[in-house]
Amino acid sequence: AQKVTQAQTEISVVEKEDVTLDCVYETRDTTYYLFWYKQPPSGELVFLIRRNSFDEQNEISGRYSWNFQKSTSSFNFTITASQVVDSAVYFCALTPNRDDKIIFGKGTRLHILP
Amino acid sequence: SAVISQKPSRDICQRGTSLTIQCQVDSQVTMMFWYRQQPGQSLTLIATANQGSEATYESGFVIDKFPISRPNLTFSTLTVSNMSPEDSSIYLCSVNVDLDQETQYFGPGTRLLVL
Repeated sequence: AQKVTQAQTEISVVEKEDVTLDCVYETRDTTYYLFWYKQPPSGELVFLIRRNSFDEQNEISGRYSWNFQKSTSSFNFTITASQVVDSAVYFCALTPNRDDKIIFGKGTRLHILP
Repeated sequence: SAVISQKPSRDICQRGTSLTIQCQVDSQVTMMFWYRQQPGQSLTLIATANQGSEATYESGFVIDKFPISRPNLTFSTLTVSNMSPEDSSIYLCSVNVDLDQETQYFGPGTRLLVL
């Protein structure tokens, strides 16, 4: 069975603090893809990153970084020096194959307080 | 990536009526997907729409309630039929870009409120 768990329902931090959003996944497939999407209040879903199961390198993009650990089935997302514009719902997601449906976690609502 | 537009962006409808949502992509894509996001919830796949074949519906969703058309490689519609307040949701379409088939890109969504 495929499953994505985002245990943090809601997080509030003060601007400029660092914050980590947790994501734990379950799959029996050896090949799979993991994603993070951002959903700001406007409602659109913005693609942030994709990782395949064979690439455990961590990635950094500006203030965003991702830590993928197969040993713990986790794909955590860290925002450094958070800004108010980072306030959104963040979804972690999993798909076992290309052209297949994506299984989404329940999302973490992030509030960045000025 | 792909540029995806949806119409309408939002609507308020009366129960018992139907609404058709359009999804337009700026490039030809094989796979298009329709998702529902109920208030405060995550996304749930309604169906997968391939051009030239009938849509494939997920468990809990039926064609009579959510008929889908896919007339060409850049366009799809989702109809929400005989609406009830429980259908109030954001409806999103997404696509796999053929050169990047592992990633789904999403449209801006259609916010539907059923009274």
